[in-house]
Amino acid sequence: NAGVTQTPKFQVLKTGQSMTLQCAQDMNHNSMYWYRQDPGMGLRLIYYSASEGTTDKGEVPNGYNVSRLNKREFSLRLESAAPSQTSVYFCASSPPSSGGVEQYFGPGTRLTVT
Amino acid sequence: QKEVEQNSGPLSVPEGAIASLNCTYSDRGSQSFFWYRQYSGKSPELIMSIYSNGDKEDGRFTAQLNKASQYVSLLIRDSQPSDSATYLCAVFNFNKFYFGSGTKLNVKP
Repeated sequence: NAGVTQTPKFQVLKTGQSMTLQCAQDMNHNSMYWYRQDPGMGLRLIYYSASEGTTDKGEVPNGYNVSRLNKREFSLRLESAAPSQTSVYFCASSPPSSGGVEQYFGPGTRLTVT
Repeated sequence: QKEVEQNSGPLSVPEGAIASLNCTYSDRGSQSFFWYRQYSGKSPELIMSIYSNGDKEDGRFTAQLNKASQYVSLLIRDSQPSDSATYLCAVFNFNKFYFGSGTKLNVKP
């Protein structure tokens, strides 16, 4: 049982390049989330998917797109990377509950845009 | 105004002391409350969840929730150097989690 996995672990991009961050969970969770973490800023929600087939914007969605490929996988795409997108990106998942339940995080992707 | 506010610290306590971490939130409709521990360079790890007013204890950790004051706290008893980390407060509201910026805790041997 791997939990939440993310690829790649590290990435360096040049301004204007595109890339997709991959996330998968094997816990049969309905909800999945993408966050970015910048120094002193805590975690900020980019996009989330409450269930397979649905996605919604979080606090900081500009410059990103997501795809909920199936129940297990939730990808984050940067179409034209900018230096302001240099950050650590975390994927998380949680089981279904209307009251909110615990999130489980992947190991993170450290992205640098030059 | 941020949804979730925490003192960034650092909070320094000697080994064996009680560490007290605090968090306030702005939305009265918030449903669930969590504390995560994050070591440098690692992902957040859930240590406590609390859903109703009062105290919840788990080992050396006690979470306290006061919905009237919109206040959540975490007490760590018998603090150990291994507790040195950043502690993130999170609030769940309408399908979304909102995180504070974290409090850095240093436990000195």
